[in-house]
Amino acid sequence: EAGVTQFPSHSVIEKGQTVTLRCDPISGHDNLYWYRRVMGKEIKFLLHFVKESKQDESGMPNNRFLAERTGGTYSTLKVQPAELEDSGVYFCASSQDYKGGKLFFGSGTQLSVL
Amino acid sequence: EDQVTQSPEALRLQEGESSSLNCSYTVSGLRGLFWYRQDPGKGPEFLFTLYSAGEEKEKERLKATLTKKESFLHITAPKPEDSATYLCAVQANTGNQFYFGTGTSLTVIP
Repeated sequence: EAGVTQFPSHSVIEKGQTVTLRCDPISGHDNLYWYRRVMGKEIKFLLHFVKESKQDESGMPNNRFLAERTGGTYSTLKVQPAELEDSGVYFCASSQDYKGGKLFFGSGTQLSVL
Repeated sequence: EDQVTQSPEALRLQEGESSSLNCSYTVSGLRGLFWYRQDPGKGPEFLFTLYSAGEEKEKERLKATLTKKESFLHITAPKPEDSATYLCAVQANTGNQFYFGTGTSLTVIP
């Protein structure tokens, strides 16, 4: 069974540019999460999809971040325009259970904004 | 505010030297406490879920325990391949997001 796949694994962009991260969850997992780890800090929640609907986006930093999940399958996270403080590792995770249950994580996208 | 604190930040053990990692938490109603292992360049990998105080789970050399305020991950006779960052996370019963600690970086020296 394929795991959670994230693309790209690394992205280096300049301040003001746009970057789109992609996540393919495990097939059949309705729940998809985006998390971010800034260097030296803990992994922090960004948002949660149930199928194609945003269940909770309370962790999104500001309106420069836009997440979508087309047809309840893969998800994209776009940052436009990128700022220096957006640098970090962006993780996607999926799960079967709505009310908890273990998360299956992708390997993350390392985003560096210069 | 829901919060997770892990200690120590880093731990170096000789192979075979048992020890424990601590995860202290405050949460407005615990749905579950989770332990994950993370290797460099990889995403966190699930180890255990604990739901109520007094519960224990074991897997190979690892044993996780839970009280009302903290969880311990006991490592018995560790091997070099146990070297990784161990993350603790809690999920409150008021929502679906997970709150993570900053992790304990474990190095086991042969």
